[in-house]
Amino acid sequence: DVKVTQSSRYLVKRTGEKVFLECVQDMDHENMFWYRQDPGLGLRLIYFSYDVKMKEKGDIPEGYSVSREKKERFSLILESASTNQTSMYLCASSTGQGIYQPQHFGDGTRLSIL
Amino acid sequence: GESVGLHLPTLSVQEGDNSIINCAYSNSASDYFIWYKQESGKGPQFIIDIRSNMDKRQGQRVTVLLNKTVKHLSLQIAATQPGDSAVYFCAEKGGDYKLSFGAGTTVTVRA
Repeated sequence: DVKVTQSSRYLVKRTGEKVFLECVQDMDHENMFWYRQDPGLGLRLIYFSYDVKMKEKGDIPEGYSVSREKKERFSLILESASTNQTSMYLCASSTGQGIYQPQHFGDGTRLSIL
Repeated sequence: GESVGLHLPTLSVQEGDNSIINCAYSNSASDYFIWYKQESGKGPQFIIDIRSNMDKRQGQRVTVLLNKTVKHLSLQIAATQPGDSAVYFCAEKGGDYKLSFGAGTTVTVRA
């Protein structure tokens, strides 16, 4: 089974802090994604990556950056955390072998910015 | 991205009955659809997928139906069990590897 592991289940940070969310997948997947999930808004794509050192903006990239130095690891960075970034953050991965492949998700990091 | 919506935000079903969860999509170019299940405190879990060259696909106790004419997708769960209580999302792929998600339907199974 695909396993996507997010380093923290719960995280509390203060406004203005730099926050790192880590995600690791063990299936040698080429594609990795970061979403945020808010009530009534569904999943919204922040950033994604098709390969090492490669990144693409999603639908809501403002206030975030990402890093993919190794194939199995994709990090989401909140440069200066703000209260409107309080949310559930979900990481996903998918194989690049064919375009009709599902994404597999981690269990999320619930981030609170005080 | 294109919007993907679900017809009802909540669904209550008697244990043992069949459940039908609906989803409408707007992008006629979408060629791949996925259903996910999200239990409380967990991430979305892949249930079943279907490509646009198919009308129906069956899995274990689940069936996905795709009607491209009216851009409608449904997930049928046979003999619903308490463990099926969760939020169900449909997702569509319109071009590259990205997916667009609906807001979800919360399914509650009554004993």
